[in-house]
Amino acid sequence: AQSVSQHNHHVILSEAASLELGCNYSYGGTVNLFWYVQYPGQHLQLLLKYFSGDPLVKGIKGFEAEFIKSKFSFNLRKPSVQWSDTAEYFCAVNDYKLSFGAGTTVTVRA
Amino acid sequence: EAGVTQSPTHLIKTRGQQATLRCSPISGHTSVYWYQQALGLGLQFLLWYDEGEERNRGNFPPRFSGRQFPNYSSELNVNALELEDSALYLCASSLGQDTGELFFGEGSRLTVL
Repeated sequence: AQSVSQHNHHVILSEAASLELGCNYSYGGTVNLFWYVQYPGQHLQLLLKYFSGDPLVKGIKGFEAEFIKSKFSFNLRKPSVQWSDTAEYFCAVNDYKLSFGAGTTVTVRA
Repeated sequence: EAGVTQSPTHLIKTRGQQATLRCSPISGHTSVYWYQQALGLGLQFLLWYDEGEERNRGNFPPRFSGRQFPNYSSELNVNALELEDSALYLCASSLGQDTGELFFGEGSRLTVL
């Protein structure tokens, strides 16, 4: 079964800084990859997904992620964060079930 | 359109008791998933039901069980509760098998004393 590793447990940054969150999955083959976000007090929601095609995927709220097959990676990026991006971010891979990473807490300071 | 609804929101039990958590998927969704979110451990996959059948099960002991009803709602039962079962239990639904795009509920917070 797939496993998902998220490199950072907690990231703290200032508004307008760039954000990159690392995500690696354990083995190759055809995979569907996702980033989910959980804002404070809200339920988990889909940020973006990759099924096939262009490895650079655009999501909601200015987020994007790049699938690099050779590195088994699916890193999340945002060029300029806002205070409202404070949330917990989860990478996930679909392998006959959706397996999640441990999550990265992102705190954006105004 | 109503989202995924879970009940109860909070549940307090003592060790050895049984807990039952309920989930109603989004209308039209046939798949229901259960996850455990314990502090610092991320989301651990528990169970996946589709069309009333158990399709996959995570690495949890048999005292974690569930079922899916004909209306696609689902129930998660945890027997012989242990302290480490204290967690947020999340239910999610999707349109069908294996799409990976899940819609989550708010969760049921289970506290075992």
